[in-house]
Amino acid sequence: AQSVTQLDSHVSVSEGTPVLLRCNYSSSYSPSLFWYVQHPNKGLQLLLKYTSAATLVKGINGFEAEFKKSETSFHLTKPSAHMSDAAEYFCVVIPRGGFKTIFGAGTRLFVKA
Amino acid sequence: DAGVTQSPTHLIKTRGQQVTLRCSPKSGHDTVSWYQQALGQGPQFIFQYYEEEERQRGNFPDRFSGHQFPNYSSELNVNALLLGDSALYLCASSLDGLMDNEQFFGPGTRLTVL
Repeated sequence: AQSVTQLDSHVSVSEGTPVLLRCNYSSSYSPSLFWYVQHPNKGLQLLLKYTSAATLVKGINGFEAEFKKSETSFHLTKPSAHMSDAAEYFCVVIPRGGFKTIFGAGTRLFVKA
Repeated sequence: DAGVTQSPTHLIKTRGQQVTLRCSPKSGHDTVSWYQQALGQGPQFIFQYYEEEERQRGNFPDRFSGHQFPNYSSELNVNALLLGDSALYLCASSLDGLMDNEQFFGPGTRLTVL
């Protein structure tokens, strides 16, 4: 069975410090992996995606994620947090050849001035 | 280029009633998926429509049904509403056959069941 686990429900960082949002997945087949961001009262926006090309994926707004098959992880990072990064982040998996999209429970990122 | 649009933006219903939510996909997309996002939770996959057929379904009862029209727009119907159906309902569109399965999301319809 496929599943996604976001290891932290809340993460708090200071502006200008690094961000790490952790995600582990379970999938029977090589999956497609995504990170989405959801700002309050706004729709879900795609940050980045992994689809079996380079294992280090660069996204928008300075975010990147590394696919580690041996660890079944797809952690999201950013070198320097900005106040505008405060939002809910979702790790998403779609099994290769499948159609059912599985969202993690989300990680709320707080950025302190 | 309009993205994914949903209507209405907000809806209030009472228990036992029926509701229909609507979605227009991004231009050029042929696949529509629906999600339920309860407060404080991640979106849960309801079902996906392609070529006017339900292609895959999540763990939702038969009270949840849908339809896709020839122009690829879609409706989500929920019968016999329960208080627990209160949630944000998201529609996402994509183009079938692409390797990366990227989905584009609409802003959602906020359903409140009293």
